[in-house]
Parts: sequence; C-alpha cells; structure tokens
Amino acid sequence: DSGVTQTPKHLITATGQRVTLRCSPRSGDLSVYWYQQSLDQGLQFLIQYYNGEERAKGNILERFSAQQFPDLHSELNLSSLELGDSALYFCASSPGDSEAFFGQGTRLTVV
Amino acid sequence: QKEVEQDPGPLSVPEGAIVSLNCTYSNSAFQYFMWYRQYSRKGPELLMYTYSSGNKEDGRFTAQVDKSSKYISLFIRDSQPSDSATYLCAMSAGGAGSYQLTFGKGTKLSVIP
Repeated sequence: DSGVTQTPKHLITATGQRVTLRCSPRSGDLSVYWYQQSLDQGLQFLIQYYNGEERAKGNILERFSAQQFPDLHSELNLSSLELGDSALYFCASSPGDSEAFFGQGTRLTVV
Repeated sequence: QKEVEQDPGPLSVPEGAIVSLNCTYSNSAFQYFMWYRQYSRKGPELLMYTYSSGNKEDGRFTAQVDKSSKYISLFIRDSQPSDSATYLCAMSAGGAGSYQLTFGKGTKLSVIP
C-alpha cells in the first residue's frame, strides 16, 4: 500500500458529462501529481500541485482542471467527456522530489 | 523521436533467470531515474530510485544509469513468477520545484515456473 488513496475506483459515465476524481496523498507529502494512462499513449503527466498551488502543467486538456485543498487532498475535474477520455487516471504524491508514490487509480469509462 | 524509448516486449523467461530491462532517452536534462512495477490494472509501484549516474542495488534488483549513453537498465536476479508484471522506466529533470515524470511505455514480463 503506497499510502495514496484514490476514489472512486471505477466510474462509468456518458459522453458530455462531468466527473470529479479524488486523491488523498501520503501523510506529509505536499506535492500531488495527476497522470493519465491509456493503452496507446502510456502514462502521461497532466498537472502538479504543491501545497495548494499549481506548480506544473503537462498535456492537460482545457476541459480538465484540478485543485488542491488546504488539507492537501486534490481533485481532478473532467468535463464535456468524450469517448477518448476513457483511461486510467492516477494520482501520485511526493515529499518534494522525484520519488513519487502512486495510488491505485480511477478507471474511467465514457460510453 | 520519443523522449523515452522502452521495448514493450513481451519478455518471457524461466523462473530463476536473470532479467535485463532497458530504456533509452533523448533529454540530457534528465537526472532522476526510476523503475516502477505495475501489475494489471493496479497503480505503479516504485522499485528503484536513482539520482544521476551509477548503480544501485536492492535485494534482487539492480538499477544502472549511464548518462553518457542516455541508457538505463534494471536487472532482476533469481526471477520469480511473482515478478510477472509490466515494468516502467521513468525519468525527471527536476528543477523549479517540479519533478514530473516522463515514462517509457513499459515492458511486459512473464516469469514461467
């Protein structure tokens, strides 16, 4: 167990809908990263928050947004969902360097 | 050219064999190197973490980094059926407080009893 908790584990929703994925980092970790894993693209970095502030952005679509709350948990919001957004979404937390610990992921299926 | 290249396999070896997994990369700014193990539909599990060049050993696992060749390796000794998984290399440049990881696509390993 990495200590990173993600909910829900599975999510099935229709195209055009909006969903929120939640992540609780390991105790004491200030950095939260979001990654998307699809069969063709592999694991892709989406966005990083550090102690409540956005620190870095990767290949994140404008339809996607994230935030980190004062208690350090983070949420990834996905809107206007398309079939191609179906993927595994992982959250990782880090004490402040590259040693990142991943949660078990949320499997999103858009139908 | 992708930033990180990793042979997807699949790689099938008999139990007890030595396994060698490799990645090459093109970004010379990478200085943090990791290997993750991912079981089917689970989260990646950090196996090895190395900064800059050199070797690191942890039990049956040895990670090697050759920055001059932009080449990293993971060796698994005395492989076990429980080692069957997808192995992902990951790298980061660090800097400006962001250590986002760039991943290889993973090598699927099967260890046959």
